[in-house]
Amino acid sequence: QVQLQESGPGLVKPSETLSLTCTVSGGSINGYHWNWIRQPPGKGLEWIGYIHYSGSTNYNPSLKSRVTISLDTSKKQFSLELSSVTAADTAVYYCARWVFYGGNSDYFDYWGQGTLVTVSS
Amino acid sequence: EIVLTQSPGTLSLSPGERATLSCRASQSVSYNYLSWYQQKPGQAPRLLIYGASSRATSIPDRFSASGSGTDFTLTISRLEPEDFAVYYCQQYGSSPPITFGQGTRLEIK
Repeated sequence: QVQLQESGPGLVKPSETLSLTCTVSGGSINGYHWNWIRQPPGKGLEWIGYIHYSGSTNYNPSLKSRVTISLDTSKKQFSLELSSVTAADTAVYYCARWVFYGGNSDYFDYWGQGTLVTVSS
Repeated sequence: EIVLTQSPGTLSLSPGERATLSCRASQSVSYNYLSWYQQKPGQAPRLLIYGASSRATSIPDRFSASGSGTDFTLTISRLEPEDFAVYYCQQYGSSPPITFGQGTRLEIK
């Protein structure tokens, strides 16, 4: 059974960089896209970006200038860095595995439990 | 950007009733790259449907979905108490490649 677990600080100061790591267990990194998705309190889901196991990345244009997603295949971990944070970045951050079958279907099949990150001084 | 608009925002029904949730896309969704998720309070979303109409593993057959192009529907044939939650649709397409609808809250009447 694939499991994803987010880790990182729960409190970040305004203007600083939010850093989170997702550890994958019970399955391979290969063949998939590894994503970060966030959900502000009481609101909907926002896709942040993904890194493919090959190392290629794709980011939400609304966050692209501030986002970096990286992958450490040896540790089966991928990470999120979001710079220059403000209170608007306060959210539950999820990591998730995205399965993409070109010309057929796509879906997020495994999610982490989510971690709340609050931006406050 | 493909914007997904879900309706209604909130749906109030009783256990045993039929629920019909709508997801409308601002542009045609290619290859039925449309999925549905269920989210309960304090939990991560759970995959229900992919490819517009295929049930994910272990999803009860009271959940069904249909649609293509710009109009998609999730139907729960007979509501069970555990079905009351928030439901999101999600698509893959043009930049940004992945977007979610704003959600439909299914609440007990």
